Amino acid sequence: QKEVEQNSGPLSVPEGAIASLNCTYSDRVSQSFFWYRQYSGKSPELIMSIYSNGDKEDGRFTAQLNKASQYVSLLIRDSQPSDSATYLCAVGMYNFNKFYFGSGTKLNVKP
Amino acid sequence: DVKVTQSSRYLVKRTGEKVFLECVQDMDHENMFWYRQDPGLGLRLIYFSYDVKMKEKGDIPEGYSVSREKKERFSLILESASTNQTSMYLCASSVRRNTEAFFGQGTRLTVV
Repeated sequence: QKEVEQNSGPLSVPEGAIASLNCTYSDRVSQSFFWYRQYSGKSPELIMSIYSNGDKEDGRFTAQLNKASQYVSLLIRDSQPSDSATYLCAVGMYNFNKFYFGSGTKLNVKP
Repeated sequence: DVKVTQSSRYLVKRTGEKVFLECVQDMDHENMFWYRQDPGLGLRLIYFSYDVKMKEKGDIPEGYSVSREKKERFSLILESASTNQTSMYLCASSVRRNTEAFFGQGTRLTVV
């Protein structure tokens, strides 16, 4: 079983809609959770980090964490074509200096 | 802003060559990482370092070594490059454990 799992997509949404990206993880003692955006041929860019259960909002992005269900999600409101990219979920394991990455969900926002 | 800089954006090397990939961060981060990214396989950790001269193997260390002589610099070494090491190599750093990692621009290495 992979430590971090994401649906590979592609997820297609129309411009202006809400895109919902999901991630599950296997290690119950995971403590830190991150979402990265990666455009084709580029390196991952940090969008958000979340450490506590609940929601965290930053502009059009909301991260949601549910540790009991071992689930973290990213909502993108008012999706734009420029949001079309692969979104990577990363999980930091307790007391370890490394992260596990999901394989990413490809998002297509259609004009 | 955090800046992680990788020495090359593109590299082409021959099989059997010794290859050095350099990474520098300017934010006094404790942790530095080397990943490779391949289609369908995602990001895989090769090595990481949590302090100067300290290193730990990641998930795929075979065929690689690393060096961290100074806090800001973390080098990945391919001892004898092989075609299956053709990949995108990504360096990252984080201020300390369990905090967000910031990535360099990546080095696309082709071994012929």
